[in-house]
Amino acid sequence: AQSVSQHNHHVILSEAASLELGCNYSYGGTVNLFWYVQYPGQHLQLLLKYFSGDPLVKGIKGFEAEFIKSKFSFNLRKPSVQWSDTAEYFCAVNPANNAGNMLTFGGGTRLMVKP
Amino acid sequence: NAGVTQTPKFQVLKTGQSMTLQCAQDMNHNSMYWYRQDPGMGLRLIYYSASEGTTDKGEVPNGYNVSRLNKREFSLRLESAAPSQTSVYFCASIPRYPNTQYFGPGTRLLVL
Repeated sequence: AQSVSQHNHHVILSEAASLELGCNYSYGGTVNLFWYVQYPGQHLQLLLKYFSGDPLVKGIKGFEAEFIKSKFSFNLRKPSVQWSDTAEYFCAVNPANNAGNMLTFGGGTRLMVKP
Repeated sequence: NAGVTQTPKFQVLKTGQSMTLQCAQDMNHNSMYWYRQDPGMGLRLIYYSASEGTTDKGEVPNGYNVSRLNKREFSLRLESAAPSQTSVYFCASIPRYPNTQYFGPGTRLLVL
């Protein structure tokens, strides 16, 4: 079974700092990759996704992620964070041959941005 | 479109009680999912329904049952609640592969 690892459980940054959240997965085949965000008290919302094509994916709110197949990684980046980015971030993977469209999630990274 | 809706939003149960969590989507999506979210563990799949009339176990199905009542509705039942089932439960749906999952607002369940 595939697994997803998010190595940073808690991250604290000041506003305007750059952000990079790590995500690694274990699955040898073709995958679809996602980053979701959960703001305090809210449900999960999609930040960005990668199915195929350009491995550098741009999402909403200035976020981007780069798929590096050789490293089994899909790290999330933002050049300059804002206080409103305080949230929990989840990486998720869906094997491309998964008939049930099931997602495997990482454990999440809690980001706190200090004003 | 209301998207994915869940009821109730909060629930407190005593050990051994039963309850059903309701989920509905108005987007004509084929597949629906139930997850539980626990601190540090992300979301784990309990059950899913790839299409109307089918259901399958996910990663953590023990202690739960599901019913795909029709294309819109997918309910999760706890027959005899245990404290280990204290969690936040999310329902999600997806129109077809490949695509993103749309999540409901969640149900917070506390089992005493």
